[in-house]
Amino acid sequence: GENVEQHPSTLSVQEGDSAVIKCTYSDSASNYFPWYKQELGKRPQLIIDIRSNVGEKKDQRIAVTLNKTAKHFSLHITETQPEDSAVYFCAATTNFNKFYFGSGTKLNVKP
Amino acid sequence: EAGVVQSPRYKIIEKKQPVAFWCNPISGHNTLYWYRQNLGQGPELLIRYENEEAVDDSQLPKDRFSAERLKGVDSTLKIQPAELGDSAVYLCATAGAPYEQYFGPGTRLTVT
Repeated sequence: GENVEQHPSTLSVQEGDSAVIKCTYSDSASNYFPWYKQELGKRPQLIIDIRSNVGEKKDQRIAVTLNKTAKHFSLHITETQPEDSAVYFCAATTNFNKFYFGSGTKLNVKP
Repeated sequence: EAGVVQSPRYKIIEKKQPVAFWCNPISGHNTLYWYRQNLGQGPELLIRYENEEAVDDSQLPKDRFSAERLKGVDSTLKIQPAELGDSAVYLCATAGAPYEQYFGPGTRLTVT
């Protein structure tokens, strides 16, 4: 099966700085890669996703890049704000059959 | 559009007792997932439904867990009997065209 690894497990940045979270996957058949933000005690919320036919996707301050050859994808948050503080999970799936999640990154944005 | 609805939000039971969780998906979403999330970890799939058919239940501990999705809409997940190690958040998620997966608020289960 698929194996998704996520790094770092914790990340602390100053407000206004950029944050980058990286994930690697093992199954070359994986074709959809979502990122979820989970605030304490709340549900994971989809913040951005990318499909395997695209190398990069951007939505305001958030971007995701995908390198299929190297089997890794990354979340980039620019101009971080305190409200970006949360746990972020990456995931990978083949045709939505089964989602494999990374272990999460706790992001702390210091004001 | 209403999101995924789950109930109850919190449940505290003693070990060996039964417990059931309920999920109502986003209208039109044919795919439904039940996940278990332990503290500090990512969600782990328990079972996936396509309409009313369980198409992946390989991670479901079938000796004590059961699930059903009658008429391909609402779903229930049951644990009987519960063990201490079952304490976790149980998340329901659904997906439909264009295949984005949305999570419900989860049920936080505490087994004492």
